[in-house]
Amino acid sequence: QQQVKQSPQSLIVQKGGISIINCAYENTAFDYFPWYQQFPGKGPALLIAIRPDVSEKKEGRFTISFNKSAKQFSLHIMDSQPGDSATYFCASTIIQGAQKLVFGQGTRLTINP
Amino acid sequence: DAGVIQSPRHEVTEMGQEVTLRCKPISGHNSLFWYRQTMMRGLELLIYFNNNVPIDDSGMPEDRFSAKMPNASFSTLKIQPSEPRDSAVYFCASSFVLYGYTFGSGTRLTVV
Repeated sequence: QQQVKQSPQSLIVQKGGISIINCAYENTAFDYFPWYQQFPGKGPALLIAIRPDVSEKKEGRFTISFNKSAKQFSLHIMDSQPGDSATYFCASTIIQGAQKLVFGQGTRLTINP
Repeated sequence: DAGVIQSPRHEVTEMGQEVTLRCKPISGHNSLFWYRQTMMRGLELLIYFNNNVPIDDSGMPEDRFSAKMPNASFSTLKIQPSEPRDSAVYFCASSFVLYGYTFGSGTRLTVV
């Protein structure tokens, strides 16, 4: 019930294309879904997050789509750039709970110039 | 704010030696988390503290690992004795009720 499954493990996209990373969760009590971006040699950094009361959240070129009934959420990166090449992690938790984030396995994204 | 500060950035030690990793959380944050990252297992939560009290240490792999948080501005993760399979990047993160959940830059541990 605590797992978050992320796919794909790796993704190669051409510059200017759309990158899509998917996550599925099991615990219906989860109510906070962040995405983290990690560059080599750095710690993960919060990119964008969503609560289940909305189906989509957009910040610049980054969009989270959320499907509560399917227990799935995805990250879309529009107009992907080489600087977006990084590892992306989805996560889930219960805000009122113990604040323990459950992370997906990560997706290594490469944007080819 | 300087963010979450971890030291050392890199540590190379011989098998059997004691290793101590250090973390200074962001001032005002009341939760602190220790993670381990490897290629095989991804990001694993080892232990976390709330208001300096350990809440969940179920992720600590074995008794060789221990963590302390003597005050709100300092935490340590100790491995004694260290083994080659402990080689990984160890991250510390801090937050205030999930807001500002921030990771440090990590400590890359190599046990030879």
